[in-house]
Amino acid sequence: GAGVSQSPSNKVTEKGKDVELRCDPISGHTALYWYRQSLGQGLEFLIYFQGNSAPDKSGLPSDRFSAERTGGSVSTLTIQRTQQEDSAVYLCASSLPGTEQETQYFGPGTRLLVL
Amino acid sequence: QKEVEQNSGPLSVPEGAIASLNCTYSDRGSQSFFWYRQYSGKSPELIMSIYSNGDKEDGRFTAQLNKASQYVSLLIRDSQPSDSVTYLCAVNFNDYKLSFGAGTTVTVRA
Repeated sequence: GAGVSQSPSNKVTEKGKDVELRCDPISGHTALYWYRQSLGQGLEFLIYFQGNSAPDKSGLPSDRFSAERTGGSVSTLTIQRTQQEDSAVYLCASSLPGTEQETQYFGPGTRLLVL
Repeated sequence: QKEVEQNSGPLSVPEGAIASLNCTYSDRGSQSFFWYRQYSGKSPELIMSIYSNGDKEDGRFTAQLNKASQYVSLLIRDSQPSDSVTYLCAVNFNDYKLSFGAGTTVTVRA
């Protein structure tokens, strides 16, 4: 079946602009995660959704970052007033809790460059 | 602070040899452990997961878990040049999200 998809694959924006990143999880996966990977850095957790609820937003780095999920499926990560330090690869993953030790499957990522 | 530690490498092994990657974690209560590989410019790709103490084999890969010592390892038998990539250890500290190590870069030399 189809894996996790993300769009856009690449995004170049100017400092101060808002951006929206989209994630479409594997069909039927109720859990969805956003991570960030800066150049040469490890993966950093941002936010977790179970259904449409976000019980863990602990990784969002500032109030410029927000995310929502609708219909228990697609999620959008929004970064307002982008800064150069926001440049990174934003990765989305999904899983089906209670199965496969809750293995998370990753999408291809969105590469964000803030000029 | 929940941490996952890996040697960053690079780990260089000759073709056909066994590559051994180690990972330690800070929370004794952790239940799920994963090895991913990540090609440059790509997203993490699952190799295998392990849940119980002992060994789990899948093809040329063997994951080993020792919860008492808080380490998980990955062995790659008959290493091939195509195995030259960064390997990420990930731990679920019973809080849904994965915590990742910094990754170990493996180079298999012909």
